[in-house]
Amino acid sequence: DTAVSQTPKYLVTQMGNDKSIKCEQNLGHDTMYWYKQDSKKFLKIMFSYNNKELIINETVPNRFSPKSPDKAHLNLHINSLELGDSAVYFCASSPLLTRNTGELFFGEGSRLTVL
Amino acid sequence: QKEVEQNSGPLSVPEGAIASLNCTYSDRGSQSFFWYRQYSGKSPELIMSIYSNGDKEDGRFTAQLNKASQYVSLLIRDSQPSDSATYLCAVIRASGSRLTFGEGTQLTVNP
Repeated sequence: DTAVSQTPKYLVTQMGNDKSIKCEQNLGHDTMYWYKQDSKKFLKIMFSYNNKELIINETVPNRFSPKSPDKAHLNLHINSLELGDSAVYFCASSPLLTRNTGELFFGEGSRLTVL
Repeated sequence: QKEVEQNSGPLSVPEGAIASLNCTYSDRGSQSFFWYRQYSGKSPELIMSIYSNGDKEDGRFTAQLNKASQYVSLLIRDSQPSDSATYLCAVIRASGSRLTFGEGTQLTVNP
């Protein structure tokens, strides 16, 4: 069983379109994340939810809207896609981060290409 | 100043050599430090964690932490071609709510 699964793995779309990426984890973790990794491999946090509650919301355009229907699911909807949105989006989960726990479990990533 | 800085590389070492990867961080109150490995086209995976000053060894990997210098490093002994990957340094800041990654160092081990 895949611990953190994301769909779809690849999206190719035109500028201005809207797209969604879904994420599910079966690890029983309370916290889920969306990270964006650009072409230079920089992994930047976008959002984090703990038990369906938004706890981290980085400086991300409001075209990006996360939704967590329950603690095992975290989806990402992107409106009015722009060329700069092209990246790999990783979903991850973990127990609530503390001083002694920093292991994130990542999904396989969703590669978004905006043409 | 970036929160977590790494040399982006690429770093190239011959098989059997020691690979040394370095990372500095800006928040002096940071408590916990991690190294993730990411193979090309794959997702990051945790390989080492360190919380106290000094060295921590796990097989061929040694993590080193110097909080006074705000410096973390990862040594890979007897490097193998299978170690070729991007290595991401990550830090939990004093607030404890997020894991912040550096830009990664691409390592190539040549047979």
